[in-house]
Amino acid sequence: GAGVSQSPSNKVTEKGKDVELRCDPISGHTALYWYRQSLGQGLEFLIYFQGNSAPDKSGLPSDRFSAERTGGSVSTLTIQRTQQEDSAVYLCASSPSGQTNEKLFFGSGTQLSVL
Amino acid sequence: AQSVTQLGSHVSVSEGALVLLRCNYSSSVPPYLFWYVQYPNQGLQLLLKYTTGATLVKGINGFEAEFKKSETSFHLTKPSAHMSDAAEYFCAVNEKLTFGTGTRLTIIP
Repeated sequence: GAGVSQSPSNKVTEKGKDVELRCDPISGHTALYWYRQSLGQGLEFLIYFQGNSAPDKSGLPSDRFSAERTGGSVSTLTIQRTQQEDSAVYLCASSPSGQTNEKLFFGSGTQLSVL
Repeated sequence: AQSVTQLGSHVSVSEGALVLLRCNYSSSVPPYLFWYVQYPNQGLQLLLKYTTGATLVKGINGFEAEFKKSETSFHLTKPSAHMSDAAEYFCAVNEKLTFGTGTRLTIIP
């Protein structure tokens, strides 16, 4: 079956603009994660959705960042008033049930460049 | 809180030589530990994981890792490096899957 799909694969935007990044998880996976991968910084956890539970937003770096997951499937990460330091690869991952011993299935990411 | 430390952001080894990528973790609960690999222009994929049971875990492509509780370590090894092993490797610990900063492995022909 299809893997985790992210769009767009590349996004170039101007400082101050809003951007939306989309993630389609593997069908049937209840857990969905967003990470940010910056050069030399590894993967930084942003937000975690599990089923119908309230999302864990503890990793969002500022109130300019938000995410939603509609119908327990597709997720959108929104960054408002983008800044140059937001430039990074944004990765989405899903897992079948969110248990801590499960492997994550990653998408190929969205490369965001803020000019 | 959990954390992961990967010693060495860049490691170079000769083709055929031993690969050793270091990972140390801290965790307030019994950890589940993971190694993920990111090949150039590809997404991350699971290399191997430790959950419970045998502390020596074997993964894909000839890699293995040993969980050592006393040393809070989960180092990744491969006896003989291949050119195709060139990639970035990430160690991670459970709960929101906290990742290390990664180690870029270069193979010298």
